[in-house]
Amino acid sequence: DTEVTQTPKHLVMGMTNKKSLKCEQHMGHRAMYWYKQKAKKPPELMFVYSYEKLSINESVPSRFSPECPNSSLLNLHLHALQPEDSALYLCASSHASGGTTNEKLFFGSGTQLSVL
Amino acid sequence: GEDVEQSLFLSVREGDSSVINCTYTDSSSTYLYWYKQEPGAGLQLLTYIFSNMDMKQDQRLTVLLNKKDKHLSLRIADTQTGDSAIYFCAESIETGGFKTIFGAGTRLFVKA
Repeated sequence: DTEVTQTPKHLVMGMTNKKSLKCEQHMGHRAMYWYKQKAKKPPELMFVYSYEKLSINESVPSRFSPECPNSSLLNLHLHALQPEDSALYLCASSHASGGTTNEKLFFGSGTQLSVL
Repeated sequence: GEDVEQSLFLSVREGDSSVINCTYTDSSSTYLYWYKQEPGAGLQLLTYIFSNMDMKQDQRLTVLLNKKDKHLSLRIADTQTGDSAIYFCAESIETGGFKTIFGAGTRLFVKA
């Protein structure tokens, strides 16, 4: 299994809603990532989990709350989002080989989020 | 600082070669990558090169690295319509953890 699975594929939410994005991989990868991608732009890193611990938070607003329940799962909890948060949210995973910067990323297909 | 730059658009005819260029600024990068993104999909790793290499070939793909000029290129031989996509150059850097920085992406359009 070489897939990263993200659900849901599409999500429409109001500014007062609470929702969660889910990501799952069964490749034994120990690093997992959330990226945000606006249309016609490159992915921007939001969070990195390494061995289930948050290792990088790119100054993301607190209305985005990541969670890594175990080495295979990654969630992104959303609350009180703004319309400008509408984007494609991509999950990725990598081996987390440690001591090397060759972190080949495996991406899911993303969740297209629209905030009304 | 960390920055990766690419030209935004490239159009080629089917069967021709495509060359996508990239420049990066972080001299500590030890690995550089090319990712492909098709419409409505996530990114797919195409190939990568270690910084002590000048060239890497993988079937129709050739990566050239000029570390002195911090210039990376991806050549696609015999370009097909299925190669139409956005191609992202990326570097991996260490900053309290390893993270990947992407260029703006080059949209490749292949004309039949």
